Amino acid sequence: KNQVEQSPQSLIILEGKNCTLQCNYTVSPFSNLRWYKQDTGRGPVSLTIMTFSENTKSNGRYTATLDADTKQSSLHITASQLSDSASYICVADRGSTLGRLYFGRGTQLTVWP
Amino acid sequence: SQTIHQWPATLVQPVGSPLSLECTVEGTSNPNLYWYRQAAGRGLQLLFYSVGIGQISSEVPQNLSASRPQDRQFILSSKKLLLSDSGFYLCAWSGSANEKLFFGSGTQLSVL
Repeated sequence: KNQVEQSPQSLIILEGKNCTLQCNYTVSPFSNLRWYKQDTGRGPVSLTIMTFSENTKSNGRYTATLDADTKQSSLHITASQLSDSASYICVADRGSTLGRLYFGRGTQLTVWP
Repeated sequence: SQTIHQWPATLVQPVGSPLSLECTVEGTSNPNLYWYRQAAGRGLQLLFYSVGIGQISSEVPQNLSASRPQDRQFILSSKKLLLSDSGFYLCAWSGSANEKLFFGSGTQLSVL
């Protein structure tokens, strides 16, 4: 069964601290792994896209890693800011068919001052 | 630059009433267009996607329909809303199947 599991479901950290969000996927075949940030009541915004041959990709304070062998990905946020409070969604793409994206339920991150 | 517009932002409708949500994209031609629904605490669910005018693919049998009357216009409709149609609806576009999605700001639909 094609699916994406994220952990933790929610996370609270203090401003300035680092955190790591986890994603496990069982999508096959696999083309790429995406991370999105979704503010409450808004549409998701793309953070990174990694193909199966890429191990890491950064976007400012966000660094995503991918292990295609173990089918795991992580999103590391460095020096968190209040504006990082949002839901972070992991998405696995089968690539072979248009529309074949599998979305995780997201990790709700709250950054406290 | 490309932009995507989706409206309305919020909508409260009685059960059995019709629905029409509109989405338009600017700054690109022949985009792939998508309608997603996001229920509380759930992942995004693909409802419809379109690769061109008049070409609609449905992912989930439901009370909804979609149309693409123009290249950069995508409409989500229903003749009679159900309580289960409540949710956060998102329109999105991409340049191709493997490119990243650009989402609209969403419509929060409450069916009462």
